[in-house]
Amino acid sequence: DVKVTQSSRYLVKRTGEKVFLECVQDMDHENMFWYRQDPGLGLRLIYFSYDVKMKEKGDIPEGYSVSREKKERFSLILESASTNQTSMYLCASSLSAGRSNSPLHFGNGTRLTVT
Amino acid sequence: GDSVTQMEGPVTLSEEAFLTINCTYTATGYPSLFWYVQYPGEGLQLLLKATKADDKGSNKGFEATYRKETTSFHLEKGSVQVSDSAVYFCALRGYSTLTFGKGTMLLVSP
Repeated sequence: DVKVTQSSRYLVKRTGEKVFLECVQDMDHENMFWYRQDPGLGLRLIYFSYDVKMKEKGDIPEGYSVSREKKERFSLILESASTNQTSMYLCASSLSAGRSNSPLHFGNGTRLTVT
Repeated sequence: GDSVTQMEGPVTLSEEAFLTINCTYTATGYPSLFWYVQYPGEGLQLLLKATKADDKGSNKGFEATYRKETTSFHLEKGSVQVSDSAVYFCALRGYSTLTFGKGTMLLVSP
């Protein structure tokens, strides 16, 4: 079974702090994704990565950046956290984009609260 | 661009009732279609998938058929259980990323 592990289940940070959310997958997947989930808005894509050191903006990249130095790890960075970034953050991985029938495998999520 | 529309919830049913959650999509080309389930406090789990027209995905008593002519992928289950209470997401994947519907909450009472 694919395992996607997010380093924290719950996180509380202060406005203006730099926040790192870490995600690791163990299936040698090329693609990795960061989504945020908010009530009434569903899941929205923040950033994704096709491969090591590659990244693409999703639908709502503002206020976020990402890092993928190793294939198994994809980090989401909030440069200066704000209260409107309070949300559930979900990381996912999948086989390469060319295999469009490949499902995404999700971690359990990190619930971030910015006060 | 790609989009997925699913019925709003919550859907409230009694145990052993029949379930249908509607999902329609708009996409270019021939996307793959998925249903994910999210139990309280957890991430999303893949429930079933279908990769081409007329394919039927099935898992744990749930089924959905890829209908290209109606651009639909409705989720069905013949007899729901209390343990099926969760949020269900319909999704499609074109070439790269997954596009989700907004989710439908299902509440099953004993």
